[in-house]
Amino acid sequence: AQSVAQPEDQVNVAEGNPLTVKCTYSVSGNPYLFWYVQYPNRGLQFLLKYITGDNLVKGSYGFEAEFNKSQTSFHLKKPSALVSDSALYFCAVSLLGALMIYNQGGKLIFGQGTELSVKP
Amino acid sequence: DARVTQTPRHKVTEMGQEVTMRCQPILGHNTVFWYRQTMMQGLELLAYFRNRAPLDDSGMPKDRFSAEMPDATLATLKIQPSEPRDSAVYFCASAPGGQGYNYGYTFGSGTRLTVV
Repeated sequence: AQSVAQPEDQVNVAEGNPLTVKCTYSVSGNPYLFWYVQYPNRGLQFLLKYITGDNLVKGSYGFEAEFNKSQTSFHLKKPSALVSDSALYFCAVSLLGALMIYNQGGKLIFGQGTELSVKP
Repeated sequence: DARVTQTPRHKVTEMGQEVTMRCQPILGHNTVFWYRQTMMQGLELLAYFRNRAPLDDSGMPKDRFSAEMPDATLATLKIQPSEPRDSAVYFCASAPGGQGYNYGYTFGSGTRLTVV
């Protein structure tokens, strides 16, 4: 079964330090991978995606993520954390790639989420 | 910015009552999703539609939940009768057709449902 795992419920980082939020996936076929961020009482906002090409993808607000096929991971990173980055982060996989049948594509499976706390 | 609009933002209702949540997807988006978010289960996909046709509603309890798209500008999620375990935040999201969903969904702000 396809799944996404975020092994850490919470990540604590000091402002200015680098941050990493971990994500591993299990899918058949080629995954399309996404990161979303959720601020309190808001919907999820798209941060970045990996579809194909360069394993390091850059997204909004200075975030980037590295796709590692051998480790089936897609960790979210930022070189220097800000207090305003504190939020709930979700990794997601879309069942596309090998399942390129129009009507079956596009369904996102989300991880459980990781709460990022950046302290001044 | 184009946005997905959900109403109501908050709903408190008594057990056994019918609840209807509405979603207006972004104009031109032909794929609409309903997700439920709880602390215990995280984000669960309830149902999704493409060109107003239901593609997958396997995540939805069929006996009490129903989802429809009466037209391209409105998606509804109904619970009848509601139960306390339905208390959650319900999110609607929309995405463009074709390869457009590669670029991610756009989520609404959610409906926070409390069933007492």
